[in-house]
Amino acid sequence: AQSVAQPEDQVNVAEGNPLTVKCTYSVSGNPYLFWYVQYPNRGLQFLLKYITGDNLVKGSYGFEAEFNKSQTSFHLKKPSALVSDSALYFCAVRGPYGNNRLAFGKGNQVVVIP
Amino acid sequence: GAGVSQTPSNKVTEKGKYVELRCDPISGHTALYWYRQSLGQGPEFLIYFQGTGAADDSGLPNDRFFAVRPEGSVSTLKIQRTERGDSAVYLCASSLTSLGGGTTDTQYFGPGTRLTVL
Repeated sequence: AQSVAQPEDQVNVAEGNPLTVKCTYSVSGNPYLFWYVQYPNRGLQFLLKYITGDNLVKGSYGFEAEFNKSQTSFHLKKPSALVSDSALYFCAVRGPYGNNRLAFGKGNQVVVIP
Repeated sequence: GAGVSQTPSNKVTEKGKYVELRCDPISGHTALYWYRQSLGQGPEFLIYFQGTGAADDSGLPNDRFFAVRPEGSVSTLKIQRTERGDSAVYLCASSLTSLGGGTTDTQYFGPGTRLTVL
């Protein structure tokens, strides 16, 4: 079964500092990996995905993520955090064999301190 | 363009009642998904439609839950004899599948329906 672990409940970072949100995954075969962001009382918004190719994926709002197969990780990064980046971030994985279901982590609350 | 829409945004019901939750996917998207998000948790998969048929309903927790998509567009999630444990946010997503039936397309989510069972 596919699964994702997001080990930290909350990530606090000062505005302007680099932001990292950690994610490790478990799946049979090559993974398809996703990051979504959720603002209060709103649905999930897609940020970026890794399917194949370059291990560094660039997405919306200046976010990027690095796929590391040996460490089974897909950490989300942003070089300089903004207060408006404060939200709930979810990592998700699905397998490559026609199974469309996404398995989500429990989410990380990011708090950017002005 | 218009995104995924869900109605109602909030639904309060009493234990034992029947509820229907509606999802309008992005126009042209052939795949539709239902997830359930409990407080403090990530979304959990319920069911996935390709066209009109349920391609994977293995996430439905029991036979009180049922979903339909009769014309391959709008979907309705139906919950019979609601229980307090059914209280959650129900999320719908849609994706555009490739001509070859590939399944790598991004799922785009609606705002969700918050169901509260008293």
